[in-house]
Amino acid sequence: EDKVVQSPLSLVVHEGDTVTLNCSYEVTNFRSLLWYKQEKKAPTFLFMLTSSGIEKKSGRLSSILDKKELFSILNITATQTGDSAVYLCAVPYSGNTPLVFGKGTRLSVIA
Amino acid sequence: GAGVSQSPRYKVAKRGQDVALRCDPISGHVSLFWYQQALGQGPEFLTYFQNEAQLDKSGLPSDRFFAERPEGSVSTLKIQRTQQEDSAVYLCASSSGSNQPQHFGDGTRLSIL
Repeated sequence: EDKVVQSPLSLVVHEGDTVTLNCSYEVTNFRSLLWYKQEKKAPTFLFMLTSSGIEKKSGRLSSILDKKELFSILNITATQTGDSAVYLCAVPYSGNTPLVFGKGTRLSVIA
Repeated sequence: GAGVSQSPRYKVAKRGQDVALRCDPISGHVSLFWYQQALGQGPEFLTYFQNEAQLDKSGLPSDRFFAERPEGSVSTLKIQRTQQEDSAVYLCASSSGSNQPQHFGDGTRLSIL
């Protein structure tokens, strides 16, 4: 059965800290891994990763995929209170299109 | 529109009532997905359309759940004879293709009393 496991489940940091969120997966016929940020409403798309070792970067956020070890990390540098959210990791299941999500990591950034 | 639009944002119904939730995807997106999100959990897949064809409904929890997308654009998720365990946020997402990221609407928060 396809599954996605995220860690930690929750994290509290101070503004300016750097955080690393983890996502491991088991899926048949892997195609891609996606990261989303969810505040109170819709999950908003951050990154889609398909190739190992190639970092994707957007401002203070970056992510990388390791297809050999079946995991991905999401890094946030110089955190701000606006980064407080649940970060979700997902993979298309069984090589298909619908996504299997992890439970998410709840990040709280304290001023 | 600019993003995926869902209505209503909130729905309260009594146990046993039927409800209908609407999703208006991003214009031109052929793929449309419904997910159910319980409190503190990630979204869980319900069903998926490509244009008007329902390609996968394996995630629908019971035959009380029914989804349609008759013209390949707007979709409706219907829940008949609602139960308390149906209370959740129902998220709709659309994408422009099978290898493209899904973009989500704000969801409908359904509460069954």
